[in-house]
Amino acid sequence: GENVEQHPSTLSVQEGDSAVIKCTYSDSASNYFPWYKQELGKRPQLIIDIRSNVGEKKDQRIAVTLNKTAKHFSLHITETQPEDSAVYFCAALGNTGNQFYFGTGTSLTVIP
Amino acid sequence: NAGVTQTPKFRILKIGQSMTLQCTQDMNHNYMYWYRQDPGMGLKLIYYSVGAGITDKGEVPNGYNVSRSTTEDFPLRLELAAPSQTSVYFCASSYRQGGNYGYTFGSGTRLTVV
Repeated sequence: GENVEQHPSTLSVQEGDSAVIKCTYSDSASNYFPWYKQELGKRPQLIIDIRSNVGEKKDQRIAVTLNKTAKHFSLHITETQPEDSAVYFCAALGNTGNQFYFGTGTSLTVIP
Repeated sequence: NAGVTQTPKFRILKIGQSMTLQCTQDMNHNYMYWYRQDPGMGLKLIYYSVGAGITDKGEVPNGYNVSRSTTEDFPLRLELAAPSQTSVYFCASSYRQGGNYGYTFGSGTRLTVV
């Protein structure tokens, strides 16, 4: 099956700085890559996603890039704010199209 | 729409006890999933279903069972609870339409086995 690795496991940034979280995947057939934000004690919420036919996608301060050749994708958050503090998970849709495989998460802390 | 509803929100079980975690969705999604999330860890897939009457094992199915008699319901059964099953359990559902997946999580069930 698919193997998704995520780095770093923890990340602290000053408010206003940018944050970058990186994920790699193993199955070249994977074609859909969502990112989830999980605040403490709450459910994961989809924040952005990207499909394999696209190299980059932006939504206000959040962007995701995908490099299919290298099999890695990254989440970029610009102008970070304290409310961005949360755990972020990347995921990849496996080649059967039925299972999502999640990274181990990145705990982001934005320091005011 | 209520989305994905999980019950109970919290539960403490003694070793060897059994229980069923309930999951219901009202979005007519075909796909449903059960994950467990251990402290500081990611989400591990326990079981999933691509439609009523169909279930498949995920990465960590041992110690669990599921059924999918209707599109709406996807209960998770623990037969002989063990401390290793202490975790937060999330149910999720999704659809597939034109490359969109509409993945939605429930609010989670925090289970402690003592």
